[in-house]
Amino acid sequence: GAVVSQHPSRVICKSGTSVKIECRSLDFQATTMFWYRQFPKQSLMLMATSNEGSKATYEQGVEKDKFLINHASLTLSTLTVTSAHPEDSSFYICSASTGVGYEQYFGPGTRLTVT
Amino acid sequence: GENVEQHPSTLSVQEGDSAVIKCTYSDSASNYFPWYKQELGKRPQLIIDIRSNVGEKKDQRIAVTLNKTAKHFSLHITETQPEDSAVYFCAAKNDRNSGNTPLVFGKGTRLSVIA
Repeated sequence: GAVVSQHPSRVICKSGTSVKIECRSLDFQATTMFWYRQFPKQSLMLMATSNEGSKATYEQGVEKDKFLINHASLTLSTLTVTSAHPEDSSFYICSASTGVGYEQYFGPGTRLTVT
Repeated sequence: GENVEQHPSTLSVQEGDSAVIKCTYSDSASNYFPWYKQELGKRPQLIIDIRSNVGEKKDQRIAVTLNKTAKHFSLHITETQPEDSAVYFCAAKNDRNSGNTPLVFGKGTRLSVIA
């Protein structure tokens, strides 16, 4: 149980284009989803927290107009990187919580490369 | 907000020896402290966690200790094996009211077990 999927696993896009990453909770309802970014050899840095049906809460320094997060249902959250630049190249990982209990369940991550 | 410090950043041990990784946290209200193992390009994998009402927890070769007064917690791996080589992250969160607060991660420890 508690499986989280992400799609795509890898994506390469050209600078200036937008790319959408999907995060799904497959066997539970995720009241809250978290998006993290991980640069090579670094830790997971929280980008934003999203609750179903509400606007996402972004961490300081994360541009909400550049990283659009939608959490329209209890099983799906999307992260859209708009006007991507090479410095946005990173490993993006989503995480889901049921809202009850402590654990966060992580997706497998999406490797974004912007050329 | 919460700040988690993790030491050391790299650790090399001989196979069969023990490895200890230490973390400190800043928010005295934090009550959940998980440890994750991450292999290259993969999602973080929960290996053990501890809640603030417990001082120690053990699962086979892995143990975690928590000192709430000093606000630090440690991961102990005994009888290390080459397959224990990975990056380990500690994390903390305050989940007293809901599951909607995110995990805050330490910077990670790269463990190498030398055969």
